[in-house]
Amino acid sequence: QKEVEQNSGPLSVPEGAIASLNCTYSDRGSQSFFWYRQYSGKSPELIMSIYSNGDKEDGRFTAQLNKASQYVSLLIRDSQPSDSATYLCAVIGNRGSTLGRLYFGRGTQLTVWP
Amino acid sequence: GAVVSQHPSRVICKSGTSVKIECRSLDFQATTMFWYRQFPKQSLMLMATSNEGSKATYEQGVEKDKFLINHASLTLSTLTVTSAHPEDSSFYICSAKKVSSYEQYFGPGTRLTVT
Repeated sequence: QKEVEQNSGPLSVPEGAIASLNCTYSDRGSQSFFWYRQYSGKSPELIMSIYSNGDKEDGRFTAQLNKASQYVSLLIRDSQPSDSATYLCAVIGNRGSTLGRLYFGRGTQLTVWP
Repeated sequence: GAVVSQHPSRVICKSGTSVKIECRSLDFQATTMFWYRQFPKQSLMLMATSNEGSKATYEQGVEKDKFLINHASLTLSTLTVTSAHPEDSSFYICSAKKVSSYEQYFGPGTRLTVT
């Protein structure tokens, strides 16, 4: 059973600040990592995927991966009230019966206040 | 883009009836689709993995005779909730995985209410 842990929050930041979301995972063999955003009452939306150690930037979002520490994070720069949502960290199964399925953390609820 | 649609978005049915939910990948082919259920303020729960042309793989505790899954083509999977009861009321969400990719894209979800 793969475990994905997230700081459950809630996390509250002022508009314009950097929001930092963290995630750790238990399976050292994991190779593929994702961040999803889920607004209340809506389905998850893929916002970032990362496969290699280091940083990956996409607009205001930066994903960081450290496989040695089994740690993946998401930074949101210049946070906006519209970023207020639950952010889900997900790790993909990479062998046998787990191949292709996503393992989710419980999510971190982010609130950006004006 | 990668667009996944679900139909219907919302359904209310009476206890004992069956409800079919469709999940379509609109602009890509998906050999694998996943069905999730989410109760209010809880995490997504994977119900089953659906592979095109083969039987679905159900997660432990999910009744395969109650939640019938069919994945007849590379763009369509259906979930039928048979003999629905009020405890089946939930938010059902599908996701589709692109061929040759690990990325999964979620449909908008179907909110089922059983009265």
